[in-house]
Amino acid sequence: QVQLVQSGSELKKPGASVKVSCGASGYTFTHYPVNWVRQAPGQGLEWMGWIDTNTGHPTYAQGFTGRFVFSLDTSVSTAYLQISSLKAEDTAVYYCAKYCSSTRCNGAFDIWGQGTVVTVSS
Amino acid sequence: QLELTQSPSASASLGASVKVTCTLSSGHSSYAIAWHQQQPEKGPRYLMKLNSDGSHIKGDGVPDRFSGSSSGAERYLTISSLQSEDEADYYCQTWVSDIHVFGTGTKVTVL
Repeated sequence: QVQLVQSGSELKKPGASVKVSCGASGYTFTHYPVNWVRQAPGQGLEWMGWIDTNTGHPTYAQGFTGRFVFSLDTSVSTAYLQISSLKAEDTAVYYCAKYCSSTRCNGAFDIWGQGTVVTVSS
Repeated sequence: QLELTQSPSASASLGASVKVTCTLSSGHSSYAIAWHQQQPEKGPRYLMKLNSDGSHIKGDGVPDRFSGSSSGAERYLTISSLQSEDEADYYCQTWVSDIHVFGTGTKVTVL
């Protein structure tokens, strides 16, 4: 079935980097963009941006430029989120989500990964 | 600026109905939205895309008791015959060009 499977929880020290993976299966990976969404503890969903899985071109939301990088490895149908110079406020659950471009749900995020907990603590 | 406003909470008794509201910001009343459910300690799940005319198409496996409707700038999610597993946070999402926005979320409590 169509699914996104993310890598496991991470515990990092301030200043370190982390790379979260999002593996797709059950559909043609390069046909649908992948979005990234952050959820800080006790907070709502915050859109971080997306990556065109056909061209590899990323688009970052305001507040997610500089330390945040989206990338791909299309040979294994996987998207990545890398965060550098980690700060305590980066502690959150990070989700990837498949963009729907079919007429039935065009524009919505129709498949979500299970989330990756990133904890930044000294 | 494109924004979505949701009430923080809603509640209803087991077996009753509850209506969750998402309001689009001024100038964006014709936009479609999507509804997502997030059960406790779980990731979000796509429920449906809801158009400005109230037409909606649900995601695979979404129970019939979930439905959507629209009026002006307001988009609604109605859950009928409320079940215990419906206790969750519900988020609306909308988009313009390459930009996506989430509502602040509504916590639905089953009494």
